[in-house]
Amino acid sequence: GQQLNQSPQSMFIQEGEDVSMNCTSSSIFNTWLWYKQDPGEGPVLLIALYKAGELTSNGRLTAQFGITRKDSFLNISASIPSDVGIYFCAGLANNAGNMLTFGGGTRLMVKP
Amino acid sequence: NAGVTQTPKFRILKIGQSMTLQCAQDMNHNYMYWYRQDPGMGLKLIYYSVGAGITDKGEVPNGYNVSRSTTEDFPLRLELAAPSQTSVYFCATKQGAGNTIYFGEGSWLTVV
Repeated sequence: GQQLNQSPQSMFIQEGEDVSMNCTSSSIFNTWLWYKQDPGEGPVLLIALYKAGELTSNGRLTAQFGITRKDSFLNISASIPSDVGIYFCAGLANNAGNMLTFGGGTRLMVKP
Repeated sequence: NAGVTQTPKFRILKIGQSMTLQCAQDMNHNYMYWYRQDPGMGLKLIYYSVGAGITDKGEVPNGYNVSRSTTEDFPLRLELAAPSQTSVYFCATKQGAGNTIYFGEGSWLTVV
């Protein structure tokens, strides 16, 4: 099946620092999605990317859809304590059912 | 998470027992999904449905069954619970032409 490799697995940073995480795949995706999951909650969509090369921002978050359609990255600028959580990338392929494949997650911890 | 309702929120099962996780949505979405999330891991697709009467296996379907008799409901059945099925289960929905996937709040299942 399709595999998404997300890195890093965890990050412990100082408040105010910038953060970068990425996902790579052996398969092509038509849509890349980035989610954040808080403890005890379901994932919440942060950014959706629909075409290769697309760069999209949502406040302090910026994500890009790789040109090869096999990778994506998420940047968080000027991190704050509420950024703490697990960030997941997900790829959506236009095969039957539009199956969403998730990366393993990046656990972000922010030190005030 | 508005629009996707999962029940129960928490459940403890004994090995060999059966149970059904319920998922209901009121957004008239065609696509529905069941994911499981093991501690510290990403989400893995169990089953999905592209519409009423149609279901397909995902990445980890063994030990589970689903049905989709209506657009609104997509129950997940565990027939013979095993400790390996201890996990958090998320139901999700998507409109056919869109890419935004909405998650329920999760069901925490422990098999002892």
